[in-house]
Amino acid sequence: GAGVSQSPRYKVTKRGQDVALRCDPISGHVSLYWYRQALGQGPEFLTYFNYEAQQDKSGLPNDRFSAERPEGSISTLTIQRTEQRDSAMYRCASSLAIQETQYFGPGTRLLVL
Amino acid sequence: AQTVTQSQPEMSVQEAETVTLSCTYDTSENNYYLFWYKQPPSRQMILVIRQEAYKQQNATENRFSVNFQKAAKSFSLKISDSQLGDTAMYFCAFMKHGNQFYFGTGTSLTVIP
Repeated sequence: GAGVSQSPRYKVTKRGQDVALRCDPISGHVSLYWYRQALGQGPEFLTYFNYEAQQDKSGLPNDRFSAERPEGSISTLTIQRTEQRDSAMYRCASSLAIQETQYFGPGTRLLVL
Repeated sequence: AQTVTQSQPEMSVQEAETVTLSCTYDTSENNYYLFWYKQPPSRQMILVIRQEAYKQQNATENRFSVNFQKAAKSFSLKISDSQLGDTAMYFCAFMKHGNQFYFGTGTSLTVIP
């Protein structure tokens, strides 16, 4: 596609439920990144992939958060047993290669009730 | 650790005037990249400009230019001939080798007609 796409755009869930957020990067982009952005703040790094390999997951807040990119294209960020503090905008970005500019998707706004 | 500081939470400028947004960063790295991203009310993240640390020449993109002072670890954004569409949150970002992005807290810019 022309840009990074994310789905769903909005997700409302009850505390304790699992959610899966999807990112479809720009075609041909090797690197894929996940960020979390609170209102009024800059994006906070969570994790990133080169191809299907997860290179850095140091930003994941705890073990309820996980991500995968099994075929080196689409990625899924999963949050298990959601908590209200998980409510935020979750952003995905992709880049052509390492050190290249990252292009961001529209984000998924998650609200945990 | 890398940190990015934007000391101006809010700024305003008259249409057609020039405004400069400040950004400082802290790193022990020698090779890195700096970016300015724009986030309009739609909350999209749009790349404005990119600077490689090894380049002494300041990057320029049409009405947008940077003043990169490597020794001072300063990376300010100048917007010339401000337009109403420039109204947005602006984030300064630092990327070191390894692809992890660090964002500042943002500067909210309002262009006044």
